[in-house]
Amino acid sequence: GAVVSQHPSRVICKSGTSVKIECRSLDFQATTMFWYRQFPKKSLMLMATSNEGSKATYEQGVEKDKFLINHASLTLSTLTVTSAHPEDSSFYICSAPRGFSYNEQFFGPGTRLTVL
Amino acid sequence: AQSVTQLGSHVSVSEGALVLLRCNYSSSVPPYLFWYVQYPNQGLQLLLKYTTGATLVKGINGFEAEFKKSETSFHLTKPSAHMSDAAEYFCAVSDRKGSQGNLIFGKGTKLSVKP
Repeated sequence: GAVVSQHPSRVICKSGTSVKIECRSLDFQATTMFWYRQFPKKSLMLMATSNEGSKATYEQGVEKDKFLINHASLTLSTLTVTSAHPEDSSFYICSAPRGFSYNEQFFGPGTRLTVL
Repeated sequence: AQSVTQLGSHVSVSEGALVLLRCNYSSSVPPYLFWYVQYPNQGLQLLLKYTTGATLVKGINGFEAEFKKSETSFHLTKPSAHMSDAAEYFCAVSDRKGSQGNLIFGKGTKLSVKP
């Protein structure tokens, strides 16, 4: 099956620093990738849709300047949490659809961000 | 707007017993429906999905789900629970007419399996 990787799997940073999370589709090209955030004991909430070659589309309530998304190539999307604060601590998961059907999505293993 | 409701945030069964995780959805158009499983500190793994065709869908690890349009349900079942089935399960819906195909997730059901 298709594989999506995320790096790092776990990161701890100080408040005020920026953290970059990478999402890669390893064996297929993805013009679109999705970034989700999962709070403890909560469901996944879509944050934004990353589009290769164009600006990301953010969901309502998600700060564009805080969560910078760059879809650098057909296999790589990055999410940068700028000036991180403890309330940004969460589990961030990316997914990438493969093929013509956007409903066949493959999820990365997630990145656990802890902001001290 | 689409939505997903999973009844019961926590379900506990004995090993060997039937597993039933409930999912109801709301959608203005025929949806695509999914069940995902998440093990601790891991990403989501697709268990099964319904798009078109047969309404009884079989997935991995012995799980299956039945799409019932009249009940707007997509409940997940497994005849006999294993200890390894203990995990968080998410039901999700996608609007097949959505231009981006993003998924709307339920709040999840944590399955515990007692020996």
